[in-house]
This record gives sequence, structure tokens and C-alpha cells, in this order.
Amino acid sequence: SYELTQPPSVSVSPGQTASITCSGGKLGAKYAYWYQQKPGQSPVLVIYQNNRRPSGIPERFSGSNSGNTATLTISGTQTTDEADYYCQAWDSDTVVFGGGTKLTVL
Amino acid sequence: EVQLVESGGGLVQPGGSLRLSCAASGFTFRTYWMNWVRQAPGKGLEWVANIKQDGSEKYYVDSVKGRFTISRDNAKNSLYLQMTSLRVEDTAVYYCARSFSSGWPFDHWGQGTLATVSS
Repeated sequence: SYELTQPPSVSVSPGQTASITCSGGKLGAKYAYWYQQKPGQSPVLVIYQNNRRPSGIPERFSGSNSGNTATLTISGTQTTDEADYYCQAWDSDTVVFGGGTKLTVL
Repeated sequence: EVQLVESGGGLVQPGGSLRLSCAASGFTFRTYWMNWVRQAPGKGLEWVANIKQDGSEKYYVDSVKGRFTISRDNAKNSLYLQMTSLRVEDTAVYYCARSFSSGWPFDHWGQGTLATVSS
């Protein structure tokens, strides 16, 4: 079965750039999606189709996807961005999530 | 406003059954694939199952095949997950989420309902 791998944690200082990776076999041939989940809340879509932002998502969130790795980049990270982030892809008609990355802003 | 409201969670013993529901409003329910995603306490997201707009196609994660059944009632704008032969490891918050079609993102999620399997 298809698998997506994320680092368990990433730390960044406020105002700096955070990068969270997601690896999977030939992931670049699929669309990658990213979700943000804050404690006690439901996930929120922040990036779809590799690099597109839903309305209401700040411009500091961006994405890329090539080869075996998709990357979520947060520029000028704010303390409010501290959350768990999950990548997701479709494998035919089934869905795979990465294990999640806890982003700490300190 | 799009709303997805799950219900039906609770405490059940191992081997028992539970039926989750998801009431949809604010969009044309029959035009969307619907999904169930779960999250065990302190763990990550795990996709569980999905169902095509007309119910003709259903897909499941391997760990629930033969035990869980996803269904929908487009007349009632509702999604269901019938869970049987429940195991301790099925304990999780269960979210329903919509996607326009297979391959599309989950653009709206419910608030989740907690199912606890314990003796």
C-alpha cells in the first residue's frame, strides 16, 4: 500500500521560514494536499493541488511537489501557525495521509 | 454555510457495534464524494472509507474491510458508518469530510464524534 512519510517535528523561530516535507514513491506524479490541525480542532485545508491556496489561507503558505517529495513552506512564520500539519494524496480511489508533523514556533 | 455534523459516538465493548451519522447542510450533498477519517487519541489522521456521489462505489482502508460499512442517503443529506466487530484500536475521533470527487481535496470537515471501544 502507498505510504507518505513526514518528519515528526519541525521547529522554527517567529518570522523565519518553515519547511515541512512529505515523501512517497513518485509523489510528484500525484497531487499533494496539506492540512493544518490545531489542538482540539478539526483539520483545515491549507494547500491543494500541490501549490494552490484555498480562499482565506494566508499567502505565507505555499507548496511544491516534485520527484518523491512534496514540501509545505511557511514564510514569515507566526506563532499562530504552531500546529500539526498533515500531507495527503490519493492512491487511485483511496486516500493516504502522512504521519503528521508538529510545527513548533519558538 | 457548509456544515457537517457527526453524531453517534459513544462507549462500546470490544466486539460490539456502533453507527455513526453525519448530517450535511449548506451544499448539494448528492454531488460530492464523502469520506470518513479517524484520529486515535494523540495520533495522526487515518482515512477510513469513502463513497461516491450515488453510492455505487465504496472504498475502505484494509484494517476495517469486512467490519465497517459506509453508506449515504442523499434524500436525507446524510452519511453513515456502520461499525461492527469493534476493536480497542478502533477508538478514535471520527470525522466526516467532503471532497468534490475522487482525487480532490477534503475542503470541509465536521467537528468529529468520539467512539471509544473498551471493556
